[in-house]
This record gives sequence, structure tokens and C-alpha cells, in this order.
Amino acid sequence: GAVVSQHPSWVICKSGTSVKIECRSLDFQATTMFWYRQFPKQSLMLMATSNEGSKATYEQGVEKDKFLINHASLTLSTLTVTSAHPEDSSFYICSARDPGGSTYEQYFGPGTRLTVT
Amino acid sequence: QKEVEQDPGPLSVPEGAIVSLNCTYSNSAFQYFMWYRQYSRKGPELLMYTYSSGNKEDGRFTAQVDKSSKYISLFIRDSQPSDSATYLCAMSGLNTDKLIFGTGTRLQVFP
Repeated sequence: GAVVSQHPSWVICKSGTSVKIECRSLDFQATTMFWYRQFPKQSLMLMATSNEGSKATYEQGVEKDKFLINHASLTLSTLTVTSAHPEDSSFYICSARDPGGSTYEQYFGPGTRLTVT
Repeated sequence: QKEVEQDPGPLSVPEGAIVSLNCTYSNSAFQYFMWYRQYSRKGPELLMYTYSSGNKEDGRFTAQVDKSSKYISLFIRDSQPSDSATYLCAMSGLNTDKLIFGTGTRLQVFP
């Protein structure tokens, strides 16, 4: 099956610093990747849709200058949390869509737990 | 009102029990209905999907969609301790990549 990896799996950073999270599709080329945020006991909330070679599309309420997304290749998308604050602490999950599949065929990465102190 | 409602549980059942997990939704444009399983500190994995109304069976799992009632269900037969996880329903409309998730129901199957 399709595999999506994320790095790092967890990260602790100080308030005001920036953190980069990588999402890779390991055995398929993903023209579209998605970034989600999940707070404890809450559902996954879509933050943005990332298309290779173009600007990401952000959901309403998500600050694009704070959450920088780059999808520079067909197998890699990155999310950079700039000037992180404690309220940014969350579980960040990416997914990738197999271009040969349907909408439901999104393969999720294992997630990255970010803690901002 | 949330677009997708799901009881967070936890739901605790003995091994071998039949488990029923449910979601309701308000957007009649939803056409694809998915169930994901998420273990603690892991990403979700797709269990089943259904397009429009109807039933779908895969091993011990059965997914049902009732669009007239805006209600979907996932049944797990002969539940096992390894089924202990959070189950998320997700939905989307036609011609869109966007998935709308429920909050997830935490299931515990005890031996």
C-alpha cells in the first residue's frame, strides 16, 4: 500500500522559534498533499491543500504567513510553523492523494507532535 | 451545528461483542463516506469507504450509509482487543478533495 512518512515524529521548541515538518510520499508521486491539525479529543481539521509547483490553498481562519507550506516536488511537502507559540502545540498530520485514485484515497502520515514551551 | 457529529465515547465492550459506531451529518452534498482507524499517536488509516447510500462489507467490518437520514454506521463483528483505537468518520462531496472528519469515537475492547 501507499506509504506516507513524516519527520520529525515529535518536536519541542521554544516560543518564538520556527519549526519545519516534512511530509513525504515514499512509493508514489503525490501532486496533492494535505495538512491537518488535531487537538486532543477533537477531529482532524484541514489547514491547507498543497499542490506541487503552486501556492497552497489555506482554509478559512488559518494564517498563511504563520503556517508556510512548500510543495517543491512530487514526493515532498513541508509545513513551517513560524514564530511558534504555546497555542500552536498540536498534532500535525499530512496526507497525500494518489493521483490515480479517488478523493477518499488519501494516505496519512504518522503525524508530528509539536510542543511549544 | 457541526457538519459531522460523532459521539466521542469511550465505548468499552468485551471481546467478541458486536460494536456499532455512528455519525450524523448535515450537508446533503456529501457523497463519499469513509471510516478511518487511528491508534494512539499515529495517523489515521482508511478502513472502509462507501459512495452514496448502501452497505459495504469487508471481513468483520460493515459500513452503512442512509442518506435520507444523514446517518452512517460502522459495525465491527467479533471485536478483538486489537480493534481498540479511535474510529473517525469522514465525508466529502463530489469534485472536492476536502474531507470533513468527525471527532472520533474511542473504542476499548477488553479481553
